[in-house]
Amino acid sequence: GAGVSQSPSNKVTEKGKDVELRCDPISGHTALYWYRQSLGQGLEFLIYFQGNSAPDKSGLPSDRFSAERTGGSVSTLTIQRTQQEDSAVYLCATSYQTGLWDTQYFGPGTRLTVL
Amino acid sequence: GQNIDQPTEMTATEGAIVQINCTYQTSGFNGLFWYQQHAGEAPTFLSYNVLDGLEEKGRFSSFLSRSKGYSYLLLKELQMKDSASYLCAVVYNYGQNFVFGPGTRLSVLP
Repeated sequence: GAGVSQSPSNKVTEKGKDVELRCDPISGHTALYWYRQSLGQGLEFLIYFQGNSAPDKSGLPSDRFSAERTGGSVSTLTIQRTQQEDSAVYLCATSYQTGLWDTQYFGPGTRLTVL
Repeated sequence: GQNIDQPTEMTATEGAIVQINCTYQTSGFNGLFWYQQHAGEAPTFLSYNVLDGLEEKGRFSSFLSRSKGYSYLLLKELQMKDSASYLCAVVYNYGQNFVFGPGTRLSVLP
């Protein structure tokens, strides 16, 4: 079956513009996670959706970041008024069970470059 | 905070054995993952440890000591394709927190 997909694969934007990143989970996976990985750095947790519960937003770096998950499936991560420090690879992962201890399957990521 | 420590880089020879260590803060610990990430690719799952001891999966094994806040990933019969970053990640507080370590970049030389 299809894995986690993300779009676009690459996004170049100008400082101050808004961007939207999309994640399509594996069918049947109830949990969805967004991470950020800066060049040469580890993964930084951003936000976690568990089924139909309110998302855990504790990792969002600022109020410019927001995410939603429509119908428990597709998720969109929105970054408003982008800054150069937002440049990173944004990874989405999903898991079958609603628990952080379940295996996460990662998408290929969206490479965001803010000029 | 819930700091996770791993060596930044390691080098080993094809066919050899390498052990990648991970230390973490024990308070609130629920489980530990190891992921492999090749350059420019997404992480892929390797193992998950909840109880103390060694979990073996082919050439890869993972060990956990909950009392010591310590885990290692053991790679045997190293192959060139094992050159990658290896990420240790810990679940805390019954799933309230999920923290990745900085990763260990492993280079396998011929």
